[in-house]
Amino acid sequence: DGGITQSPKYLFRKEGQNVTLSCEQNLNHDAMYWYRQDPGQGLRLIYYSQIVNDFQKGDIAEGYSVSREKKESFPLTVTSAQKNPTAFYLCASSWAQGAAEAFFGQGTRLTVV
Amino acid sequence: GEDVEQSLFLSVREGDSSVINCTYTDSSSTYLYWYKQEPGAGLQLLTYIFSNMDMKQDQRLTVLLNKKDKHLSLRIADTQTGDSAIYFCAERKEGSQGNLIFGKGTKLSVKP
Repeated sequence: DGGITQSPKYLFRKEGQNVTLSCEQNLNHDAMYWYRQDPGQGLRLIYYSQIVNDFQKGDIAEGYSVSREKKESFPLTVTSAQKNPTAFYLCASSWAQGAAEAFFGQGTRLTVV
Repeated sequence: GEDVEQSLFLSVREGDSSVINCTYTDSSSTYLYWYKQEPGAGLQLLTYIFSNMDMKQDQRLTVLLNKKDKHLSLRIADTQTGDSAIYFCAERKEGSQGNLIFGKGTKLSVKP
């Protein structure tokens, strides 16, 4: 089945540690995105990538890093520099720039303990 | 202010119609979307409308777009308890490289 897979579903991190969230898609989409969702808030864009080996900062990139070495994969690293990392993280993908439909994964809930 | 605004809550009785409203501010938006999010889950694309359309119907869902007033609505006919979720309105601005701007979501509660 085609789709977007995020793992793990739940993740716990100690303060001061980096952690990497996985996002894989087999839809052959060029574009991939990472959003952050906080309770009662809409989604805010962290990073996006339109093509392999290229990515751009979104609205709240500070404290995060990404890589796009393969078309199928767009991992997000939450670094220790991120002041308030506890949130629900959503990955999405779409065809190339301007495509109408964007599809989302099931999300990863990150909790800093 | 927010680019996309929605009321936070809506409560309806099972079998009634639900209407979820959204306003946006950028007249250059190309596509407008409705997503559904169930508890603890990702976002499910329900439907979208191109900005040169004023209505789109898909089974129980009807999207109305008033471009002059920058107002988008989602009507769910014969609302069921399984429709209880948070509904997000989103816009894609022209030249935004595919990035979506989301509202805060409307929590729909369906009472039996």
